[in-house]
Amino acid sequence: EPEVTQTPSHQVTQMGQEVILRCVPISNHLYFYWYRQILGQKVEFLVSFYNNEISEKSEIFDDQFSVERPDGSNFTLKIRSTKLEDSAMYFCASSGLGWDSGNTIYFGEGSWLTVV
Amino acid sequence: GESVGLHLPTLSVQEGDNSIINCAYSNSASDYFIWYKQESGKGPQFIIDIRSNMDKRQGQRVTVLLNKTVKHLSLQIAATQPGDSAVYFCAELNNAGNMLTFGGGTRLMVKP
Repeated sequence: EPEVTQTPSHQVTQMGQEVILRCVPISNHLYFYWYRQILGQKVEFLVSFYNNEISEKSEIFDDQFSVERPDGSNFTLKIRSTKLEDSAMYFCASSGLGWDSGNTIYFGEGSWLTVV
Repeated sequence: GESVGLHLPTLSVQEGDNSIINCAYSNSASDYFIWYKQESGKGPQFIIDIRSNMDKRQGQRVTVLLNKTVKHLSLQIAATQPGDSAVYFCAELNNAGNMLTFGGGTRLMVKP
């Protein structure tokens, strides 16, 4: 069964350092998302991406965050200067032609980021 | 139901019993809802979805009910098994279809 894959599974970084989280969405999907989940809390929307541009973003997705689809398969989240409060599980997700075409949103297993 | 902070509502059921997990959503204009299951250390796993033009949808051992009048969603799991133990989240999709908002989650614990 096709799945969303994420790397790394766990990364420890020092405060102020840049981090890039990588995702390979399901191959025929066109919509891509990043979410985060602080330990013990609910899943929070960060950003959605379609047709090589940001489609929607939340208040959390400020100037320190950026997303990129550098090639036909990868989708990355960059955090420019990490803060302690960025410690969380980051989930990538993807969907096909859109929810109204019967395609739902599938999540990867997450990248656990610890900022020290 | 909804929760804030670190405390999750917990539902404890006996193996073999039916489970009902409830969720209140916020946007009366939302058209599409999804239930996800999240096991410890893993990503949300799709269970079942429903569109706003329906009030009930059934899958394998799961049923989702939608009450638009009171903005309430429920997930029913028949013959609950130990493998069903997880945190369950409802999520609503915005009208543009580009942002999924999750509820606070409910922890389901299945006693053998």
